[in-house]
Amino acid sequence: DAGVIQSPRHEVTEMGQEVTLRCKPISGHNSLFWYRQTMMRGLELLIYFNNNVPIDDSGMPEDRFSAKMPNASFSTLKIQPSEPRDSAVYFCASSRVLYEQYFGPGTRLTVT
Amino acid sequence: AQKVTQAQTEISVVEKEDVTLDCVYETRDTTYYLFWYKQPPSGELVFLIRRNSFDEQNEISGRYSWNFQKSTSSFNFTITASQVVDSAVYFCALERNAGNMLTFGGGTRLMVKP
Repeated sequence: DAGVIQSPRHEVTEMGQEVTLRCKPISGHNSLFWYRQTMMRGLELLIYFNNNVPIDDSGMPEDRFSAKMPNASFSTLKIQPSEPRDSAVYFCASSRVLYEQYFGPGTRLTVT
Repeated sequence: AQKVTQAQTEISVVEKEDVTLDCVYETRDTTYYLFWYKQPPSGELVFLIRRNSFDEQNEISGRYSWNFQKSTSSFNFTITASQVVDSAVYFCALERNAGNMLTFGGGTRLMVKP
């Protein structure tokens, strides 16, 4: 089976631009998670979905961030407008409920 | 509140040495899960082990072993006869039973020198 797929792998954008990160979870997994990794704050959970429904978005930094999961095989994390402090590696992970999470390769975002 | 502490930020060993990575956690839950993940230089996070709070048996997988001590809230990870390929950042994480949300420690960077 393919693992969690994320695109793009690298994104460089200018401050103020909209950024959309994409994730395809492992088939059959019904939980999906978005994490952000920075040197300062380590790995932080931003939001997670169960059965396509957002369960906890308390980790989303501010209203500039939004996430959707229109179906079981696709999720997006959008930042609008982007700021330099959003530069980080964004990971998507998926799991069956109460099982271990499997992570995608990450998207390295640089906002200049 | 949940918290995971990995006090060792960096460890450097010479190949073939044994090394133990410490993990201490805090939780008020009686049921929870503990994890270790490996992040090699390529950047992906690789799942290593998941252990539930009711299972305090130590686990061994090849050169890897894990020691879970509920009395001291620790879940330590030992690599025996370390190899250069073990060089990575290792994360310990805690998951609430009901929430499926992972709280990660700050990670320990392990450097294995030839």
